[in-house]
Amino acid sequence: QKEVEQDPGPLSVPEGAIVSLNCTYSNSAFQYFMWYRQYSRKGPELLMYTYSSGNKEDGRFTAQVDKSSKYISLFIRDSQPSDSATYLCAMTLISSGSARQLTFGSGTQLTVLP
Amino acid sequence: EAQVTQNPRYLITVTGKKLTVTCSQNMNHEYMSWYRQDPGLGLRQIYYSMNVEVTDKGDVPEGYKVSRKEKRNFPLILESPSPNQTSLYFCASRWESYNEQFFGPGTRLTVL
Repeated sequence: QKEVEQDPGPLSVPEGAIVSLNCTYSNSAFQYFMWYRQYSRKGPELLMYTYSSGNKEDGRFTAQVDKSSKYISLFIRDSQPSDSATYLCAMTLISSGSARQLTFGSGTQLTVLP
Repeated sequence: EAQVTQNPRYLITVTGKKLTVTCSQNMNHEYMSWYRQDPGLGLRQIYYSMNVEVTDKGDVPEGYKVSRKEKRNFPLILESPSPNQTSLYFCASRWESYNEQFFGPGTRLTVL
């Protein structure tokens, strides 16, 4: 079983839709949670970062973490064609002196149709 | 401009022919790492380095070597490439005290 599971999609939605992207994880020691966005032929770039249970908003994006259920989500409101990309969840441990390696999900490919 | 650069961006080679993929960052980051990305498997860490002359294995290190002689450079070496190393490779860097990683543009490697 993978430490981080992510629905690979692909997911196709009309412009303006609300998008929900999800990851589950098995290691309860994960404390920091991130969402990366990867456009075609580009490297991933950090979209959102949170370390506590609950919601964090940034414009049209909301990251949600439920540590009790080991479940994280990314919501995109009013989705735009420019949001079309692969979204990867990532998480890491709190550990002083460690390299804080990231564990990534496999990514969900999203297409927003105009 | 702050960035991570990789070269080459595309490479087709044959089994057993040694190759090196270069990676350089201009942000004075301590921590650098290499990932490979394969469909359905996501990003998997190959090697990482916490600083000059300090390197360690990631999740999938077999068949790869790295070196960190300078802070800005972290080359990935495939001594004897095999077809199962055909993949998309990313170099990344960050400051030790932060979790955000900055990724390079990727190197698509095909081993025939």
